[in-house]
Amino acid sequence: GAVVSQHPSWVICKSGTSVKIECRSLDFQATTMFWYRQFPKQSLMLMATSNEGSKATYEQGVEKDKFLINHASLTLSTLTVTSAHPEDSSFYICSARGGDQYNEQFFGPGTRLTVL
Amino acid sequence: ILNVEQSPQSLHVQEGDSTNFTCSFPSSNFYALHWYRWETAKSPEALFVMTLNGDEKKKGRISATLNTKEGYSYLYIKGSQPEDSATYLCAPLGYGQNFVFGPGTRLSVLP
Repeated sequence: GAVVSQHPSWVICKSGTSVKIECRSLDFQATTMFWYRQFPKQSLMLMATSNEGSKATYEQGVEKDKFLINHASLTLSTLTVTSAHPEDSSFYICSARGGDQYNEQFFGPGTRLTVL
Repeated sequence: ILNVEQSPQSLHVQEGDSTNFTCSFPSSNFYALHWYRWETAKSPEALFVMTLNGDEKKKGRISATLNTKEGYSYLYIKGSQPEDSATYLCAPLGYGQNFVFGPGTRLSVLP
């Protein structure tokens, strides 16, 4: 199957700093990527849909100025958590949409963010 | 599709046991349902895509059924092995909508 990488796999940062997470589709082109967040013992929650060459579409309740998404090429989307605070500590995972009609998605391994 | 439930939340079985768990979702506006297996420290891996009422898919010892009229899907594992230990996620898809993931069933298979 298609491979999606995510970098870094974990990051610890100080409160107030910004953190960038990269999501890459390694062996296919992805016009659409998705960013999810998972809180402990909860399901994956969609944060935003990232479209190559256009603005991301954010889900209700997700601050677009807080979570900046850039999908500059067909193989790379980035999520920047700006001015991170401890409540932003979470597991962030991206996926890239394959070409099928049923929206099959290929997931990265995720990034564990801890904000001190 | 907003309300997706999975049960049980977690499950411990002995190696060799067969097991099953459930994904429930609103039956209106149904388009497709995906099952994923998510092992610790790895990426979620797609197991099945199911679209038609009465669908039954099989992959090795794992199979799944779909009832779109009543809004549920069952995942079965026959003769569980320790390598089956993972969290199993279902994600129904409505027309024109993105995935909504269920909370998952965490399966532990004890040797």
